Amino acid sequence: AQKITQTQPGMFVQEKEAVTLDCTYDTSDQSYGLFWYKQPSSGEMIFLIYQGSYDEQNATEGRYSLNFQKARKSANLVISASQLGDSAMYFCAMREGTGNQFYFGTGTSLTVIP
Amino acid sequence: DAGVTQSPTHLIKTRGQQVTLRCSPKSGHDTVSWYQQALGQGPQFIFQYYEEEERQRGNFPDRFSGHQFPNYSSELNVNALLLGDSALYLCASSFSLGPKETQYFGPGTRLLVL
Repeated sequence: AQKITQTQPGMFVQEKEAVTLDCTYDTSDQSYGLFWYKQPSSGEMIFLIYQGSYDEQNATEGRYSLNFQKARKSANLVISASQLGDSAMYFCAMREGTGNQFYFGTGTSLTVIP
Repeated sequence: DAGVTQSPTHLIKTRGQQVTLRCSPKSGHDTVSWYQQALGQGPQFIFQYYEEEERQRGNFPDRFSGHQFPNYSSELNVNALLLGDSALYLCASSFSLGPKETQYFGPGTRLLVL
């Protein structure tokens, strides 16, 4: 089974609107970390936000927030007040407490429309 | 504070050749991971180095090997190149252990095998 599933290959959002990018994960570990990265066309993966499995509050970093629903095993990224510079690929990733590698999803391509 | 750096940025090789990619971690980081990202896919974990030893390995053949130096920089070597090795190779660095440790990525090396 896939560790990380991103079911939205592409998304469009109007500038200044909010958008939610979906991510579900699969693990039997109790301790794990969930991450979101942004990858512009240049290729570099830019860290956006982190959520720990034991964190009770949803993580927020500026315009980024993570909607963490542990029972549903989902960790959706919410981008508020979208900007043209937000157009990029977005990857959800997980690190299990017992391991060292990050598991990535297949990504969601976000396009912000002026 | 320098981030993760990788060299070269682009590389063209022919089948059967060997290639060496280089990575310098972010200042203060002691752990280096390598990922392969094929076109349209998420990054796939190759291996991770810590204290100059391979700590964990993903599902990649022995043609992929690596090294970490005392200054924490790292090399990825790929022997007997195949067309399917064409990809973006990403290096990520982090500080030691812990599920909260975020990996920071370099700009990547784009390898084309002809």
